[in-house]
Amino acid sequence: KAGVTQTPRYLIKTRGQQVTLSCSPISGHRSVSWYQQTPGQGLQFLFEYFSETQRNKGNFPGRFSGRQFSNSRSEMNVSTLELGDSALYLCARAGSQYFGPGTRLTVL
Amino acid sequence: AQKITQTQPGMFVQEKEAVTLDCTYDTSDQSYGLFWYKQPSSGEMIFLIYQGSYDEQNATEGRYSLNFQKARKSANLVISASQLGDSAMYFCAMSSNNAGNMLTFGGGTRLMVKP
Repeated sequence: KAGVTQTPRYLIKTRGQQVTLSCSPISGHRSVSWYQQTPGQGLQFLFEYFSETQRNKGNFPGRFSGRQFSNSRSEMNVSTLELGDSALYLCARAGSQYFGPGTRLTVL
Repeated sequence: AQKITQTQPGMFVQEKEAVTLDCTYDTSDQSYGLFWYKQPSSGEMIFLIYQGSYDEQNATEGRYSLNFQKARKSANLVISASQLGDSAMYFCAMSSNNAGNMLTFGGGTRLMVKP
């Protein structure tokens, strides 16, 4: 099993709103990575958190932010949503082999 | 910078036949890892197989094998005895020891298995 839970699975928002997505790796895994998948840009790395610290960040605007809690759960926040933020957001746990089911965000 | 190239946007294969999905990579790092994932229409990214840059033998996982040719910088996925359930998008990805757990993905290949 992948051992990564993502909530919610589907989300519809309107432009200008903000959204928070959640990712929970199974217990003991301290690293979480986030990816955005769109038809036009493919799969792109957003950021990685390890033991509550951001260790790596992709080339995304500051509207995209994240954090990690002491129980390894991670949240990703997107403020001032744009139509182009519509995507599948995937979260992976340590070693990047295993991904969660993803959150499909639609911005109207 | 790392780059992954998958030159086959779509492929057909007859059920029960073998198929090879191409992947070439570019990196200046000496230590790196290569991954293959399957993504069905549900969107979930399913890990298939992994090859480390220092692994001398090609990786094998059931019907999946990775044809690793380091000098040519290629890491092709071979699926033997294709099944209808193999129809999906397939992504090649790369990690580097210098970049934590960050993966760089190729554009993917859509595989369609014909009955």
